[in-house]
Amino acid sequence: GAGVSQSPRYKVTKRGQDVTLRCDPISSHATLYWYQQALGQGPEFLTYFNYEAQPDKSGLPSDRFSAERPEGSISTLTIQRTEQRDSAMYRCASSLGGATDTQYFGPGTRLTVL
Amino acid sequence: AQTVTQSQPEMSVQEAETVTLSCTYDTSESNYYLFWYKQPPSRQMILVIRQEAYKQQNATENRFSVNFQKAAKSFSLKISDSQLGDTAMYFCAFMKGGGGADGLTFGKGTHLIIQP
Repeated sequence: GAGVSQSPRYKVTKRGQDVTLRCDPISSHATLYWYQQALGQGPEFLTYFNYEAQPDKSGLPSDRFSAERPEGSISTLTIQRTEQRDSAMYRCASSLGGATDTQYFGPGTRLTVL
Repeated sequence: AQTVTQSQPEMSVQEAETVTLSCTYDTSESNYYLFWYKQPPSRQMILVIRQEAYKQQNATENRFSVNFQKAAKSFSLKISDSQLGDTAMYFCAFMKGGGGADGLTFGKGTHLIIQP
């Protein structure tokens, strides 16, 4: 596609529910990143994929967070048993493939946990 | 681990003025990349400019330029002839060479307001 897309754009859920966020990267991009951005802060790195491989999960804040990219294209980020502190903007970015390629960001999903 | 510091939470200037946003970083890496991203009220994250640490020449993109001082670990953004559409949060970001695993490390941002 022309740019990185994410869905839904807004998600409101109740504490304890599971949520799944979706990212559709730029079609030619091999590398996909997930970030969490709290209000008034810069984004913080969560994890990344190189095609379908996920070399590093160390940025994920807890084992309630997981991400997948089974076919090396679309990715999902799932948060189980959501907590109020999970409320944030979740951003996806993609890059062409080189480790130092510029990352292009999607519009983000704003998650609110009540 | 690396850190990125933006010491100006908010700045306000008149339209057409020149403004400089500060950014300092701390790293033990010798090969890395620096970025400025813009986040307008729409909350998009838009790349403004990129600098490779191995390049001595400062990057320039139209009205946007950087002052990269590698020894001082400083990476400021200069916006010339500022426009109302430049109003946004500006984030400085670091990526080590060989990137990937660490993604980007961002500062906390500077809220820039361009007054008419």
